[in-house]
Amino acid sequence: GVSQNPRHKITKRGQNVTFRCDPISEHNRLYWYRQTLGQGPEFLIYFQGTGAADDSGLPNDRFFAVRPEGSVSTLKIQRTERGDSAVYLCASSLIGKDTEAFFGQGTRLTVV
Amino acid sequence: GIQVEQSPPDLILQEGANSTLRCNFSDSVNNLQWFHQNPWGQLINLFYIPSGTKQNGRLSATTVATERYSLLYISSSQTTDSGVYFCAGRSNDYKLSFGAGTTVTVRA
Repeated sequence: GVSQNPRHKITKRGQNVTFRCDPISEHNRLYWYRQTLGQGPEFLIYFQGTGAADDSGLPNDRFFAVRPEGSVSTLKIQRTERGDSAVYLCASSLIGKDTEAFFGQGTRLTVV
Repeated sequence: GIQVEQSPPDLILQEGANSTLRCNFSDSVNNLQWFHQNPWGQLINLFYIPSGTKQNGRLSATTVATERYSLLYISSSQTTDSGVYFCAGRSNDYKLSFGAGTTVTVRA
């Protein structure tokens, strides 16, 4: 399945954090989502291969994601703020219009 | 992305009862999934159902794509069915858009 680490991260406001996602091996498409308490997951960015095909969900330029070799992806948040506290979810799928997405267990970020 | 509306927001059931969850979409979708989020936050795939009807044990789902809605049926509910159920749809932009979820509580 999709693997994410760390599972939990507590950081002080102003620090930078990095999250890792290992997608299902044959999946070319990779997504990042963010979920806050009581809400559904919210789209951040998706990759097709190595390139970011749509980053329209990234809230500002403190958020940055890469997928340099078309497999593992990292999501970085610089100068964290308390409002960044959330669960960050990664998903992957095959290419195609009618393909099913599978999610990892998420990384829970708490900014204190 | 499309807008997704789920109803009801909360559902309390007695064990053994049946229930229906609904998902409405603002636009036509070519990809629709139902998930169950467990207490640890993991999204578990229930159905991939862009159209038609599927059944898996006590759960079944129906999507009427032309009318932009999908239904999830839970029959003979058990306490292990408790949790949050999400539907998510995708149109041509490849972004899965989620509803706000239905929180189901099954009481013994």
